[in-house]
Amino acid sequence: SQQGEEDPQALSIQEGENATMNCSYKTSINNLQWYRQNSGRGLVHLILIRSNEREKHSGRLRVTLDTSKKSSSLLITASRAADTASYFCATAAYSGAGSYQLTFGKGTKLSVIP
Amino acid sequence: DSGVTQTPKHLITATGQRVTLRCSPRSGDLSVYWYQQSLDQGLQFLIHYYNGEERAKGNILERFSAQQFPDLHSELNLSSLELGDSALYFCASSPRTGIRSNEQFFGPGTRLTVL
Repeated sequence: SQQGEEDPQALSIQEGENATMNCSYKTSINNLQWYRQNSGRGLVHLILIRSNEREKHSGRLRVTLDTSKKSSSLLITASRAADTASYFCATAAYSGAGSYQLTFGKGTKLSVIP
Repeated sequence: DSGVTQTPKHLITATGQRVTLRCSPRSGDLSVYWYQQSLDQGLQFLIHYYNGEERAKGNILERFSAQQFPDLHSELNLSSLELGDSALYFCASSPRTGIRSNEQFFGPGTRLTVL
């Protein structure tokens, strides 16, 4: 079952604009991660934010986490055509025996128009 | 390139058949995770192995099984295949310890088509 739900499902913007994607989840988490997937290819880890953190930056990426609302957002600033991809949030929760299970949302498909 | 390799890239087979997907984790990573990605179900966690031992099971069907070998490569076996098993199958690995131990590095995937 899906834990994270991304919103919107699809987003189309012009190059140079900012893109914001949101993720909501249902249960307690250890951390939340964002991944990118270019069409039909493997996922690439972008950024991880721990449950005790509220905001994190990495280059043009900014992630926020609100555990009281069980939500996160990913902001990509000054978007480029190369940012065109699907973006997934994944919640990590301890599942026992030293294992952290990632549960992925269905993703936001971002199109950046040159 | 994540350092995780998967073979084959594409697999086309018929219903009722059995296939084996192979994954080699990044050098030094002890954990291997398997995921299934389909249009209707999204990305679903199947199973996690750590240093040869099964650590967690997700939405893995009884027709599917996996193992991790002493050299740390892993195989996912899918049997009695059905049309609905057509999907992208990913494996991922993660470091044993350290600041990136919660991060998973994904392979390029195996696209399975069941006809």
